[in-house]
Amino acid sequence: DAGVIQSPRHEVTEMGQEVTLRCKPISGHNSLFWYRQTMMRGLELLIYFNNNVPIDDSGMPEDRFSAKMPNASFSTLKIQPSEPRDSAVYFCASSRPGTENTEAFFGQGTRLTVV
Amino acid sequence: AQKVTQAQTEISVVEKEDVTLDCVYETRDTTYYLFWYKQPPSGELVFLIRRNSFDEQNEISGRYSWNFQKSTSSFNFTITASQVVDSAVYFCALSGGTGRRALTFGSGTRLQVQP
Repeated sequence: DAGVIQSPRHEVTEMGQEVTLRCKPISGHNSLFWYRQTMMRGLELLIYFNNNVPIDDSGMPEDRFSAKMPNASFSTLKIQPSEPRDSAVYFCASSRPGTENTEAFFGQGTRLTVV
Repeated sequence: AQKVTQAQTEISVVEKEDVTLDCVYETRDTTYYLFWYKQPPSGELVFLIRRNSFDEQNEISGRYSWNFQKSTSSFNFTITASQVVDSAVYFCALSGGTGRRALTFGSGTRLQVQP
């Protein structure tokens, strides 16, 4: 079974450039999450979609960040313009539907470096 | 607000020792879910276990066991007869209220198992 697929695995970009991270959730999963991991702040939620609809975007740092989920099998996280403090590992995760909160399965992550 | 505390930043043991990783949580929800994830040096996040707040039964899976105690708001993880392959960062996480699936993570405990 294919897991959550993220691309690219690594991204190095210059400050001010636009960056787009991509995620393909596990087929049949209806919840999708974007998390960011840094040494200073640990793992923190950026945004959570359920059935392609954003449910909680309170973790999105500022207007430079935007996320979309145009269909059940694809999501993007865009940073425009990027800044050095955006350097982090960005994880996408998905979970299956259920009457209880089911476990989330994570992609391999995208390591973003903004220079 | 939800909070997960993993007070142990780093633990070092010698192979075959038993080790317990502590997790204490705070939530106002009466229904909530607790999770443990493993992050090996390769960087991915691997799901280990999920528990709901109504199920206080301890669970054992091979060398892994989990102790959930609502009275002390703790969900501790024990590895019996540790192995070098157990070396990783372990995260405890919480989601609150059925349908609110986003995870709040603890800061993680780095476990080093020496041969």
